[in-house]
Formats: sequence, C-alpha cells, structure tokens
Amino acid sequence: AQKITQTQPGMFVQEKEAVTLDCTYDTSDQSYGLFWYKQPSSGEMIFLIYQGSYDEQNATEGRYSLNFQKARKSANLVISASQLGDSAMYFCAMRAPKTSYDKVIFGPGTSLSVIP
Amino acid sequence: DSGVTQTPKHLITATGQRVTLRCSPRSGDLSVYWYQQSLDQGLQFLIQYYNGEERAKGNILERFSAQQFPDLHSELNLSSLELGDSALYFCASSEGGEDNEQFFGPGTRLTVL
Repeated sequence: AQKITQTQPGMFVQEKEAVTLDCTYDTSDQSYGLFWYKQPSSGEMIFLIYQGSYDEQNATEGRYSLNFQKARKSANLVISASQLGDSAMYFCAMRAPKTSYDKVIFGPGTSLSVIP
Repeated sequence: DSGVTQTPKHLITATGQRVTLRCSPRSGDLSVYWYQQSLDQGLQFLIQYYNGEERAKGNILERFSAQQFPDLHSELNLSSLELGDSALYFCASSEGGEDNEQFFGPGTRLTVL
C-alpha cells in the first residue's frame, strides 16, 4: 500500500539555522511525484516544492530544497536560514498513480517551531 | 492567494443536517480535489473530478457526495451529519497532469453540534 511517513511530530530550530524535515514513502510505482506543503496556523495549505521520481537533480525553490534519495525512498525537506514565519505544519505528500490516477496521499505532518 | 475559492469559510450546523460546500478552481484548472482535515485522521483525500468526470475516489463516506459542473466549479454535499464530521474541508485544483502541483483553497471549517 502507498504510504507516507513523517517520524518527527515536532521540531525546533533556531532562527537563521537550517533544518531538515524527514519524509519516507512507500510505493510500488516506478513513476510518482513527491510534494511538500506548508500549513501555517491560519490554516491555508501552501505548496512549497515538487520532485518527480525520474528527476535526476534535487528540486530547489528559494530557501527550500528537497533531498531526494530514491533507493532509500526518502524525500527530506531542507529549509535554509530559518525565519520566524517558517513556524508551521509541514506535510509531505505523494502522487500515487498506481492506486488511482492523480490520487494524492499526505503524511501526518511535522510541526516546526522557529525560535528567535 | 492561490486563486482557488471556497465558500462558506465557516459553517456551524446540527447533527442530522445536510450542507453543501462550494469550490471554484483556479482559472484554467480542470481537476478539483476534495480533502478532509481532522485532528485524529489528518489530511484525507476524499474525491477528485477532472473536467466534470469523477477520476479518483478516496476515503469518502457514502453520506458524502460531490460533483463538478460544466463551469468547473465543484460542490461537496455532506448529509446526515455526525459530530465526527467536524473538520476543515479543503478544495484544491490543478491543471490535471501528473507533474502539476495542487493549489489549495482557504478551506471551509465545518462544526457539527
């Protein structure tokens, strides 16, 4: 079965430091997509970054980068130079076409708190 | 602003009632997804429509139904409401391709009393 695991329910990071949020996934598909979303306390879901399973380069978007290790089935999010506004829930998600086309599975999330 | 709109923002109703949540996707997006986010279940995919047709079904209860109209807006109908249906309901839209990220609306917070 397709599954996303985020083993860190809560994380703390000092402002301006880098932080890595872990995500491992399980799929039998050869082709899949991995996403990270941010959910601040206001509730909206904000798309951060995408990695395709066939992408050879790790995805980067500004201060966000995705450390993609396909053999280990991990897709960790790295946030560099943390800011107070980065405090939020972070969800790792996978598009799992084999289950049913375009279905997206979300992990349980990691709560990140940035300390001044 | 993602470009996805959802109404209403908040909804308070009683057990046994029926409600309709509405979603307008981003201009040009053909896919609409519905999700339920609750404290105990996390973010659960409910159903997806693509250009008016149901494309994928997740953990959607039989008491819930959805449709996508010719103008691509979508409605999620929740009936015979129970206390456990209290949650944040998100609509998201995408162009429809595999590599396309989903853009989420602000959500509708449903409280069943």
